[in-house]
Amino acid sequence: AQSVTQLDSHVSVSEGTPVLLRCNYSSSYSPSLFWYVQHPNKGLQLLLKYTSAATLVKGINGFEAEFKKSETSFHLTKPSAHMSDAAEYFCVVSDLRAAGNKLTFGGGTRVLVKP
Amino acid sequence: GAVVSQHPSWVICKSGTSVKIECRSLDFQATTMFWYRQFPKQSLMLMATSNEGSKATYEQGVEKDKFLINHASLTLSTLTVTSAHPEDSSFYICSARPGTAQETQYFGPGTRLLVL
Repeated sequence: AQSVTQLDSHVSVSEGTPVLLRCNYSSSYSPSLFWYVQHPNKGLQLLLKYTSAATLVKGINGFEAEFKKSETSFHLTKPSAHMSDAAEYFCVVSDLRAAGNKLTFGGGTRVLVKP
Repeated sequence: GAVVSQHPSWVICKSGTSVKIECRSLDFQATTMFWYRQFPKQSLMLMATSNEGSKATYEQGVEKDKFLINHASLTLSTLTVTSAHPEDSSFYICSARPGTAQETQYFGPGTRLLVL
């Protein structure tokens, strides 16, 4: 079975300061990992994905995430938060062999950016 | 590229009626489409997996007779909520996966259903 735990349900940062969203996963095999962002009443937009290539993954809008197998983590970071980054973020795991390529979503982290 | 649309974006209906939601892949062919439900301030939960030309596979606890899924073509899947009740009010999101990609899913903008 695969699962995802997002360690913070809410994160509040000031504009211009770094953002860290924490994610731990559980998977029996070698998973693919994703971060999606959802703005209010909108669908999901893919920020970045890890699929067993480079462990440091760069995504859109200045976000990046590092896959650490030893820690089973895939934390998302951004050096400098922008007001437009206020949204809900989902860490997602997919394992073709274990779960037939279904996506399993974490509980989400809501990011608030203060001016 | 890789755009998925949903229609309608908003729907309000009376209890007991049926509602159909469409999911279309606009610029690619999707052999597989997925339907998710998201309750307020919660994460997405997979309801069913839909493969073109075959019956949908429902997740445990999802009533297949209540949530009818049809994937009649490579660019269209529909979800019909039959005999809707207030507890079916939710945000329904579809995603589509191109035939050549094993893992990339592209998400639609979602449909908000309110059952009165």
